[in-house]
Amino acid sequence: DGGITQSPKYLFRKEGQNVTLSCEQNLNHDAMYWYRQDPGQGLRLIYYSQIVNDFQKGDIAEGYSVSREKKESFPLTVTSAQKNPTAFYLCASILTGRATEAFFGQGTRLTVV
Amino acid sequence: AQKVTQAQTEISVVEKEDVTLDCVYETRDTTYYLFWYKQPPSGELVFLIRRNSFDEQNEISGRYSWNFQKSTSSFNFTITASQVVDSAVYFCALSEAGRYSTLTFGKGTMLLVSP
Repeated sequence: DGGITQSPKYLFRKEGQNVTLSCEQNLNHDAMYWYRQDPGQGLRLIYYSQIVNDFQKGDIAEGYSVSREKKESFPLTVTSAQKNPTAFYLCASILTGRATEAFFGQGTRLTVV
Repeated sequence: AQKVTQAQTEISVVEKEDVTLDCVYETRDTTYYLFWYKQPPSGELVFLIRRNSFDEQNEISGRYSWNFQKSTSSFNFTITASQVVDSAVYFCALSEAGRYSTLTFGKGTMLLVSP
């Protein structure tokens, strides 16, 4: 079955560590996105990528980095520079850049311990 | 700048009641798209509907209906005869034509349907 797979589902990070969240899709979608969800805040855009080897910052990119070496994969690294990383992270993909509906993964819940 | 407002933080209803979730949006674009997503406790977002700015027809899908009114910049969502399985957080979102399909979300409305 086609879909978006995020791993791990739960992730614990010590302060000062970098961690990488995985996002893989087998939908042959061109565009991929990372959103962050905090309680009562809705979802906010971190980074997005329209094509391989290209990506743009979203509204809250500070403290995060991404790569897009393959069409299927869009990993997100939460660096030690991100001061408040505890949140729920959702990855999404879209077939084209024409505002068709986005498909979302099941999310990764990151907690700083 | 684009903005989506969902003023209702939480709504509680009893099964079989009708419930309307409000969504008000702001955009300077004439071409834009509006969405509703459902987030059950498992966490993933489930797509419900997409509407473009040139199509103001209301839509009905089973117990779900949507009312799009450009004059009031609103895109409200009604669930008729609610069921316990409707309990979830519902998000309204906006995508402007020139923004690479990025979504601007409202803060969500948590709907609790009790038996």
